[in-house]
Amino acid sequence: KQEVTQIPAALSVPEGENLVLNCSFTDSAIYNLQWFRQDPGKGLTSLLLIQSSQREQTSGRLNASLDKSSGRSTLYIAASQPGDSATYLCAVRPYGNNRLAFGKGNQVVVIP
Amino acid sequence: EAGVTQSPTHLIKTRGQQATLRCSPISGHTSVYWYQQALGLGLQFLLWYDEGEERNRGNFPPRFSGRQFPNYSSELNVNALELEDSALYLCASSRGQGVHQPQHFGDGTRLSIL
Repeated sequence: KQEVTQIPAALSVPEGENLVLNCSFTDSAIYNLQWFRQDPGKGLTSLLLIQSSQREQTSGRLNASLDKSSGRSTLYIAASQPGDSATYLCAVRPYGNNRLAFGKGNQVVVIP
Repeated sequence: EAGVTQSPTHLIKTRGQQATLRCSPISGHTSVYWYQQALGLGLQFLLWYDEGEERNRGNFPPRFSGRQFPNYSSELNVNALELEDSALYLCASSRGQGVHQPQHFGDGTRLSIL
């Protein structure tokens, strides 16, 4: 069974610092990995999707890397802003499956 | 382009009642997924529908069921509600069954069981 872990569960950083969020998964047999953002009481907003054949994806201040063989992904957010405060979720799509397996998220607070 | 829409936003029920949650996918998307996000448990996969058929279900009891209509919208039904069914229920859609297609989520229905 695929297990997805995100550590730390919560973190606070001062505005302007770069954010580094880590995600690990136990089974490297995945089609892709997706990073989401969730604001309190809201749904999920897709940030980046990395296919298993890719090493990284970038969108604006966001950059996500994928090391499938070691079961790790990292989301970098450059020059954090208070508006980046949210929970960030990592999800993988295992082989033979259309369901996503989620981590429990990194709850981020950016302090002005 | 309109995103995934879910209704109602909030639903309050008592134990033993039945709840119906609705989801409209993004136009052109044929696959609909249902997830449960209970406090402290993270997001758990419930059901997947594509082209009107149930394709996969998660580890939930049979009182969780649903269907997909010809216009690809979907309904999730929960019978004999229990206190632990209190959660945010999220619907997602994707373009076809392709495993490389991203899933796009709605804002969810908050189900509270009293």
